[in-house]
Amino acid sequence: QKEVEQDPGPLSVPEGAIVSLNCTYSNSAFQYFMWYRQYSRKGPELLMYTYSSGNKEDGRFTAQVDKSSKYISLFIRDSQPSDSATYLCAMSSNSGYALNFGKGTSLLVTP
Amino acid sequence: GAVVSQHPSWVICKSGTSVKIECRSLDFQATTMFWYRQFPKQSLMLMATSNEGSKATYEQGVEKDKFLINHASLTLSTLTVTSAHPEDSSFYICSARDTAGWGNEQFFGPGTRLTVL
Repeated sequence: QKEVEQDPGPLSVPEGAIVSLNCTYSNSAFQYFMWYRQYSRKGPELLMYTYSSGNKEDGRFTAQVDKSSKYISLFIRDSQPSDSATYLCAMSSNSGYALNFGKGTSLLVTP
Repeated sequence: GAVVSQHPSWVICKSGTSVKIECRSLDFQATTMFWYRQFPKQSLMLMATSNEGSKATYEQGVEKDKFLINHASLTLSTLTVTSAHPEDSSFYICSARDTAGWGNEQFFGPGTRLTVL
């Protein structure tokens, strides 16, 4: 079993929809959780960063971490065509450690 | 802030030659940098962890003599692909952890696309 599981999609939604992206993990030691957005042929861009459990909101993006279920989510409200990209979840157990990435979910927001 | 650059952005080379890729943190100091490789439609695969002033730590299966990493300063790490072969063609991405930052945020460079003929 891989440490981080993420449905690769593709996920297609109409413009304005609420998007829900998820990852599950098996290592209970993970404490740092991140979501990255990657456009084709570009490096990943850090979107959200959370430590331990809880919610974090930034504009149209909300990240949730449920450590008891080993489950993290990223919600995108009022999705836009410019949100079309691959979204990668990443996590690590300690500060300074390398990140464990999910495979990424490909999202397409259609006008 | 938190900008990481990579140079070159793309390179084409002949089989058997060596290629050097630079990764720079432009507005912060990075004690630790990471090198990843990404194949089409795949996730990032960690190759090695680079610490300033010490030897890099390589992931299992990554040849340290083929992928030479040097992290000589707090803002620069280099990856040299020696005697490159077509199977080394990939998208190489570095990330840097802000030494003064809180937690484990890593910021990625734009990537370098390597094509070996």
